[in-house]
Amino acid sequence: EADIYQTPRYLVIGTGKKITLECSQTMGHDKMYWYQQDPGMELHLIHYSYGVNSTEKGDLSSESTVSRIRTEHFPLTLESARPSHTSQYLCASSGPPMGETQYFGPGTRLLVL
Amino acid sequence: DAKTTQPPSMDCAEGRAANLPCNHSTISGNEYVYWYRQIHSQGPQYIIHGLKNNETNEMASLIITEDRKSSTLILPHATLRDTAVYYCIVRSPGNQFYFGTGTSLTVIP
Repeated sequence: EADIYQTPRYLVIGTGKKITLECSQTMGHDKMYWYQQDPGMELHLIHYSYGVNSTEKGDLSSESTVSRIRTEHFPLTLESARPSHTSQYLCASSGPPMGETQYFGPGTRLLVL
Repeated sequence: DAKTTQPPSMDCAEGRAANLPCNHSTISGNEYVYWYRQIHSQGPQYIIHGLKNNETNEMASLIITEDRKSSTLILPHATLRDTAVYYCIVRSPGNQFYFGTGTSLTVIP
């Protein structure tokens, strides 16, 4: 199973602040993903990357941005946090030898006041 | 878009087998059936997946009907720690995962 880490696990921040959610994996997976999930609701894909310098937007429109400068690292940034960004953000990765099976990190719970 | 139908909730007695059904009547020949679960809003955990044949691993068994229009995830001896939301996902290679609303399984002592 993949080792995938997210920091911070919980974040409470004021409106207008810039935040970066970190996601790292140690399995050398080429594909990484960000999902957003409100409490009791479905997961929605907001960003994905199939390799270094490759990023794409997912099915759910998001004001966040991502970068993929290193294989193991896929940070998500909100330039100016708003209360509507309050949610849980889940990072996942996939790659050999398990093919396209996605493995998830523990998530970051974000509360914007 | 949802390609699967699951009951919204189920109960199972501790120690008994939990059988979670999933309908995927429009599944295509190259689409896999995946199962994940999510405990207390943690990150989803991969359980098992299959294409046509039944599959078994240390966590569960996956039974796929011959026509592939439905499947059942079996947890052979449910424990309280198996209480979670279980997602059945149909996915073709190269496409994204769609998690849907899943089945909320409660294991009762």
